[in-house]
Amino acid sequence: DIQMTQSPPSLSASVGDRVTITCRASHNIGTYLNWYQQRPGKAPNLLIYAASRLLSGVPSRFSGSGSGTEFTLTISSLQPDDFATYYCQESYISPLFTFGPGTKVDMK
Amino acid sequence: EVQLLESGGGLAQPGGFLRLSCVASGFTFSSYALSWVRQAPGKGLEWVATISDSGSTTYFADSVKGRFIVSRDNSQNTVYLQMNNVGAQDTARYYCAKDYFPGDPPVGRAFEAWGQGTLVTVSS
Repeated sequence: DIQMTQSPPSLSASVGDRVTITCRASHNIGTYLNWYQQRPGKAPNLLIYAASRLLSGVPSRFSGSGSGTEFTLTISSLQPDDFATYYCQESYISPLFTFGPGTKVDMK
Repeated sequence: EVQLLESGGGLAQPGGFLRLSCVASGFTFSSYALSWVRQAPGKGLEWVATISDSGSTTYFADSVKGRFIVSRDNSQNTVYLQMNNVGAQDTARYYCAKDYFPGDPPVGRAFEAWGQGTLVTVSS
């Protein structure tokens, strides 16, 4: 099985800050990595698939990069709507999806 | 607009059963795999099960294999999760999720759309 880790588990930031979240896989997963945002009390939303492909309609301040075992999600300028928990998810061994434990972004 | 509406959650006794439903609209239902993902209170996301577009293939997480069954009715745009022999560890909000890509791709899947979930509580 592939194990996914995320760092940091949580972070505090202000509107306008640049935020970076790291996701690591226990095995090489190529670029089969997705990112989701979950606001409190809401269902998750897909932001990025295939490591760096922005889903249509997702603001361009979100970007993803990486391959192999290390990936990053970057929010270039944090907005009020972005305070949420972010999850990575590998899709290499489909459909035995594994999610990372999440990174909570809250207001400083 | 893609919409997924789950129902069927509630209170179940340990060792009991529940049947969840997810009614979909806004896309060609029979062309996409559907999945169930759960989230225990205050915890992260856990993939539970997936059913292929045709319904011919199903996949389960080890934690539910042998206890849960996933099925679909493409004429009713509905996917089901039959939960048997439930335990406290199954307490969670259960989300229905639609694949981003059509068909049953071997890799690179993503959950493009999600319902709001239905809450399952297992307690005596």
